[in-house]
Amino acid sequence: DTEVTQTPKHLVMGMTNKKSLKCEQHMGHRAMYWYKQKAKKPPELMFVYSYEKLSINESVPSRFSPECPNSSLLNLHLHALQPEDSALYLCASSLNGRSGNTIYFGEGSWLTVV
Amino acid sequence: AQKVTQAQTEISVVEKEDVTLDCVYETRDTTYYLFWYKQPPSGELVFLIRRNSFDEQNEISGRYSWNFQKSTSSFNFTITASQVVDSAVYFCALPRTGANSKLTFGKGITLSVRP
Repeated sequence: DTEVTQTPKHLVMGMTNKKSLKCEQHMGHRAMYWYKQKAKKPPELMFVYSYEKLSINESVPSRFSPECPNSSLLNLHLHALQPEDSALYLCASSLNGRSGNTIYFGEGSWLTVV
Repeated sequence: AQKVTQAQTEISVVEKEDVTLDCVYETRDTTYYLFWYKQPPSGELVFLIRRNSFDEQNEISGRYSWNFQKSTSSFNFTITASQVVDSAVYFCALPRTGANSKLTFGKGITLSVRP
């Protein structure tokens, strides 16, 4: 079983809604990630938090707003999304973000924008 | 620049057959790591193995085995006596060296195991 927990598992939202995806890990990891995955494609990195500070933003539109309240929690706030933002959103964590770390993924949140 | 190539896109086998998933990578780093992940239809990316570049020993874990060949920049994955539960998309990945690691994924191989 994964030690990275994501909620909700499924989310349907309208283009004017505001919603949030939540992620939690209790492995003591200090790096946390958001990835986006479209159907039949590999995951694409969106954001990296290292020691609770945003260290990478892969030119993600501002309608996606990440937040790291503490070392165990990672949120992704969603506002004014477009139908093309429908995808699987994967949260992940690793020990400290260095390349030799294993990155552990959650089960993902399936997002549909209508 | 780093690159991971998984040339096979879809493989279909009958249960109990052996199957090999290929992964070829490109990197300028002298020290690097390679990963394999499994993604079943439920969506979760399941970590299978991490291999560092200075350890070229092949690894076996139950029905799974990995063949790392630095000379050909390949890190192939073999499932012996495949089972229906092995049906999934398999990704090979190579992280960027340094802090704030970013994984470069291959395009993935969809494996279907028929009963």
